[in-house]
Amino acid sequence: NAGVTQTPKFQVLKTGQSMTLQCAQDMNHNSMYWYRQDPGMGLRLIYYSASEGTTDKGEVPNGYNVSRLNKREFSLRLESAAPSQTSVYFCASNRDRAGEAFFGQGTRLTVV
Amino acid sequence: EDKVVQSPLSLVVHEGDTVTLNCSYEVTNFRSLLWYKQEKKAPTFLFMLTSSGIEKKSGRLSSILDKKELFSILNITATQTGDSAVYLCAVEAGYGQNFVFGPGTRLSVLP
Repeated sequence: NAGVTQTPKFQVLKTGQSMTLQCAQDMNHNSMYWYRQDPGMGLRLIYYSASEGTTDKGEVPNGYNVSRLNKREFSLRLESAAPSQTSVYFCASNRDRAGEAFFGQGTRLTVV
Repeated sequence: EDKVVQSPLSLVVHEGDTVTLNCSYEVTNFRSLLWYKQEKKAPTFLFMLTSSGIEKKSGRLSSILDKKELFSILNITATQTGDSAVYLCAVEAGYGQNFVFGPGTRLSVLP
């Protein structure tokens, strides 16, 4: 009963390095999301995908790119990491853009 | 700009106390309000509210929405140490896929 699986759980990057955060869900959900969570600021939407083959910007998309590889997988890429991208990243999915979202366990990213 | 505000931001109580957490919002095209509980890692779903005045209950937790005054409350009765967590309020709004989260209320329940 995996739900939403994110990898890696922890990552330390140097400024300017690139990396991809992976997310997969096994609930046959159409919609997937990437959020970042910073202290005192709640969860902020980076990008979302309403269905396979579509992606849209959220509140804080700068410095990120995404790929909806298929219905199950939605990846988030940092092309040139900056210290301001130090955060906890959550992937989530839900059915048809409504209601309860299921979250992955998060990736704690530190950029030094 | 869509905004969700939660109060208090932090709360410390003793086991057995009753707490009320508040969430107010200013958003375009409100569709629903959701409450999540976040312990160490992933937020977990508690309630989804779409209609005013209808209380949702699950055990010791309950929540209600007032769409006229633009707020919701989450009540926890007879608190237990296991209720210690950050409680997040999120509003589904706008014309795209937009869930706006509040900053959360950190609840600590002392034995």
